[in-house]
Amino acid sequence: GAVVSQHPSWVICKSGTSVKIECRSLDFQATTMFWYRQFPKQSLMLMATSNEGSKATYEQGVEKDKFLINHASLTLSTLTVTSAHPEDSSFYICSAIPGGPNTGELFFGEGSRLTVL
Amino acid sequence: GQSLEQPSEVTAVEGAIVQINCTYQTSGFYGLSWYQQHDGGAPTFLSYNALDGLEETGRFSSFLSRSDSYGYLLLQELQMKDSASYFCAVKPPGGYQKVTFGTGTKLQVIP
Repeated sequence: GAVVSQHPSWVICKSGTSVKIECRSLDFQATTMFWYRQFPKQSLMLMATSNEGSKATYEQGVEKDKFLINHASLTLSTLTVTSAHPEDSSFYICSAIPGGPNTGELFFGEGSRLTVL
Repeated sequence: GQSLEQPSEVTAVEGAIVQINCTYQTSGFYGLSWYQQHDGGAPTFLSYNALDGLEETGRFSSFLSRSDSYGYLLLQELQMKDSASYFCAVKPPGGYQKVTFGTGTKLQVIP
């Protein structure tokens, strides 16, 4: 199946700093990628849809100036958490859907666990 | 909007069969998927139903009834490694659009 790679797997940062998370599709081109956030014992909540070559589409309640998304190529999307605070500590997961027949399958990166001190 | 409801927790015995239900309310519907997520890991795809009926994939089966806005995941011959969270998810029609996940069910398999 398609492979999506996410980096870093975990990161610890100080409050007020910025953190960048990368999401790469390794064996397919992804014009669209999705960024999810998951708090402990909760479901995956879609934060934004990343579109190659254009602005990301953010879900209601997600601050676009705080969670900067850049999708500069067909294989790379980045999420930057700016001025991070402890309440931003969470598990961030990216996903993508390859082209071709629809199998209903969403391919996920490994996830990035962010801890803000 | 979309909402998908699941039981929060289910406990079952090793070797048994367990069913995890999902009821949904959506503004558009294309298909129902199921994902497994172990603690600390990313979700992995299990099954997908675009049409009504039962889809079988090894020990896992998934069922969909679009008229009832209902589906379930059936796990047979439970193993300890099946202890995980399970999420149903819907994708609206129209290509690369966002997938909405259910509330999730934490399955605990006991000896």
